[in-house]
Amino acid sequence: AQSVTQLDSHVSVSEGTPVLLRCNYSSSYSPSLFWYVQHPNKGLQLLLKYTSAATLVKGINGFEAEFKKSETSFHLTKPSAHMSDAAEYFCVVTRAYSSASKIIFGSGTRLSIRP
Amino acid sequence: EAGVVQSPRYKIIEKKQPVAFWCNPISGHNTLYWYRQNLGQGPELLIRYENEEAVDDSQLPKDRFSAERLKGVDSTLKIQPAELGDSAVYLCASSLEVGGGPAYEQYFGPGTRLTVT
Repeated sequence: AQSVTQLDSHVSVSEGTPVLLRCNYSSSYSPSLFWYVQHPNKGLQLLLKYTSAATLVKGINGFEAEFKKSETSFHLTKPSAHMSDAAEYFCVVTRAYSSASKIIFGSGTRLSIRP
Repeated sequence: EAGVVQSPRYKIIEKKQPVAFWCNPISGHNTLYWYRQNLGQGPELLIRYENEEAVDDSQLPKDRFSAERLKGVDSTLKIQPAELGDSAVYLCASSLEVGGGPAYEQYFGPGTRLTVT
């Protein structure tokens, strides 16, 4: 079985300060993990993904995430927030390379950026 | 390159009426997904196709929902009859999977916002 928990429904940071969006997962198998971003009135876009290669994954727009198996976490970070980062972020877990795998989205974290 | 196309973008219907959504994936993508996203929640997978075959439809409410992907290209999702609780955004996504399994980047369409009154 798989599940994913996004620990914060809403995060607010000031522009230029670090961003941390937290995601914990549960999986009976080696997971594949993703972060997607959803801007208002736009489609979901992939930020980055982990599929059993390097544990520190770099994505677009300066975001990165670290896979920590011991903590079952895949937190998303960015050193310096920009106003354009304001959006909804979703953590996703699935099982790599298995047609029987489920795809589970977290409930989302809304990121607000204060000027 | 054109992205995933969905139509209509918005639909308002009365309960008990039928409704259909159409999706055209990115050219060459063999896998197609339909999701439902309720307000304030993450997308929930309804059905996943690999080419013409539905490989995961465990979350599709089969008493009222149906889907098809003829010729392994575009797809239609239908609800008949619609209920008030079906109000949501219906998202279509596609990916090119060469090794089996949903571990590849999904490209999402803009969604269809359904309101059932």
